[in-house]
Amino acid sequence: DIQMTQSPASLSASLGETVTIECRASEDIYSNLAWYQQKPGNSPQLLIYDANSLADGVPSRFSGSGSGTDYTLTISSLQPEDVATYFCLQHSSRPLTFGSGTKLEIK
Amino acid sequence: QVTLKESGPGILQPSQTLSLTCTFSGFSLSTYGMGVGWIRQPSGKGLEWLANIWWDDDKYYNPSLKNRLTISKDTSNNQAFLKITNVDTADTATYYCARMVAIPMDAWGQGASVTVSS
Repeated sequence: DIQMTQSPASLSASLGETVTIECRASEDIYSNLAWYQQKPGNSPQLLIYDANSLADGVPSRFSGSGSGTDYTLTISSLQPEDVATYFCLQHSSRPLTFGSGTKLEIK
Repeated sequence: QVTLKESGPGILQPSQTLSLTCTFSGFSLSTYGMGVGWIRQPSGKGLEWLANIWWDDDKYYNPSLKNRLTISKDTSNNQAFLKITNVDTADTATYYCARMVAIPMDAWGQGASVTVSS
């Protein structure tokens, strides 16, 4: 199984700041990586697919980058509505595996 | 507009079989490349992929649940199903179904809460 190591586990930042969340795969996943946002009490919502493609309707302050084993989600100009837990997902090989999540709070 | 909704028993006892239904609209599981996956999330914890089924009836399961899972579909009624046999308290979670195409899990249901308790 491919292990996805996500960091940090939690993050506190000020409004307007830029934050980054990382996922490292235990082997090359060839950009087969997606990022999801899960707000409290809600189901996950797709933000980024294929490592750097923005899903429909997602604000442009969200961006993804990376290749090989290392991937990053960047949120620019942090907004109050960005408070959520963020997960990465690798779909390069089965079983599909998620990162453990990053809980983002506003300072 | 793509929507999915999970339904299940809510509560069941250890050793019973959990049966979940995903009823969806806005797409068809008879369309080339279309699929539905099941994912679960224990309260306050992370996500675990369980299984998915494709338009051509190809099925894939998470080996961690060994032979306890069965996924199926009813294309005519726009439904997908998941059964988990011999449940125990570790299976207590919110269960989600999600559409899968070239983009994995691009639309999710609201989730069905399942509690296993004696």
